Amino acid sequence: DAGVIQSPRHEVTEMGQEVTLRCKPISGHNSLFWYRQTMMRGLELLIYFNNNVPIDDSGMPEDRFSAKMPNASFSTLKIQPSEPRDSAVYFCASSLEGLAGYEQYFGPGTRLTVT
Amino acid sequence: AQSVTQPDIHITVSEGASLELRCNYSYGATPYLFWYVQSPGQGLQLLLKYFSGDTLVQGIKGFEAEFKRSQSSFNLRKPSVHWSDAAEYFCAVAGNEKLTFGTGTRLTIIP
Repeated sequence: DAGVIQSPRHEVTEMGQEVTLRCKPISGHNSLFWYRQTMMRGLELLIYFNNNVPIDDSGMPEDRFSAKMPNASFSTLKIQPSEPRDSAVYFCASSLEGLAGYEQYFGPGTRLTVT
Repeated sequence: AQSVTQPDIHITVSEGASLELRCNYSYGATPYLFWYVQSPGQGLQLLLKYFSGDTLVQGIKGFEAEFKRSQSSFNLRKPSVHWSDAAEYFCAVAGNEKLTFGTGTRLTIIP
């Protein structure tokens, strides 16, 4: 299996621009998680999906952030408009359901820089 | 709400020496506990997990961890570290379908 795939790996954009991060979970996994990692705040859960349905988006920082999962093999995290404080590494992770769902498999991350 | 504390931000160990990374958790019920490792520029990789049963669990890369309910701890150990173990290590507790991660411990290995 190829593991969790994220694209792009690096993104540099200017403040005010729209940014879209993409994730392909491991085939057969039912749950998908988006995290943000910064030096100041560590690893934060932004949102997670079960069977393509958003379950908890309480970690999404503002209305500028949105996430979708149109099918079992693809998810996006969008920031519009982007701000310098959004600079971070964004990780996608996937897992099976139930107890096994706590074993999350992480992608390599997207390093976002907003200037 | 569940929480995890990793009291050591940075630890330096000589190659070949033993290692112990500390983790304390807070959770109302029986915890499910995890250790993840993050190498530079990479995502997190699961090292080991505790769900129930034997309180000493073995993981990949020669790591082990011991669950101590009385101390609310789940410390990670390795008898002899290798230079390739240099990374950031995260302890996590599961609950409400989510993982809560600690702030991480950065491990530096010196020759």
